[in-house]
Amino acid sequence: GAVVSQHPSRVICKSGTSVKIECRSLDFQATTMFWYRQFPKQSLMLMATSNEGSKATYEQGVEKDKFLINHASLTLSTLTVTSAHPEDSSFYICSVGDRGDQETQYFGPGTRLLVL
Amino acid sequence: AQSVSQHNHHVILSEAASLELGCNYSYGGTVNLFWYVQYPGQHLQLLLKYFSGDPLVKGIKGFEAEFIKSKFSFNLRKPSVQWSDTAEYFCAVRASNYQLIWGAGTKLIIKP
Repeated sequence: GAVVSQHPSRVICKSGTSVKIECRSLDFQATTMFWYRQFPKQSLMLMATSNEGSKATYEQGVEKDKFLINHASLTLSTLTVTSAHPEDSSFYICSVGDRGDQETQYFGPGTRLLVL
Repeated sequence: AQSVSQHNHHVILSEAASLELGCNYSYGGTVNLFWYVQYPGQHLQLLLKYFSGDPLVKGIKGFEAEFIKSKFSFNLRKPSVQWSDTAEYFCAVRASNYQLIWGAGTKLIIKP
């Protein structure tokens, strides 16, 4: 399976600042990457599907101006949480779809965001 | 709305006990079914998946799952668990719109 990394693994920021999270596919070219958010004791919630070279597709209820996604290359997608607030504190996870089998996803280790 | 239900949030077993984790989904059409596992401090990884064919699917580390269409279920089983199976297990379902719907997860703790 694919190897996916995320950076940073943890970040603490002040309210009102912006935070960028990187998701890298280390060993294959990913045309599609997915961004999830996980609240404590709850399941993963798909936020958006990131498509290389085009605009991301956001799920209903996710503010695209709040969560900016850029998928500039086949190995990198970034999620920027703009003007972060304490309620944005969460665990953000990215995944890549298998190029040959788009129905299997490989996950990054996640980024824990804490907004003070 | 499509949903995935995992019946137990926490399961505690002793080593060598048999395991069955329940997963039910609500969708009447064709589905693809997955079990993912997250070991402590590690990222989510695929345990097994069902797309079509034999409804009894074998995955890694001795795990298997059975798709019972009439019951909308995809329960995960292992005949004899080990301490190293301590992890959180997530069931996920992909329906025709290709969105993956996740269960809330089951935390499994194996007592040595």
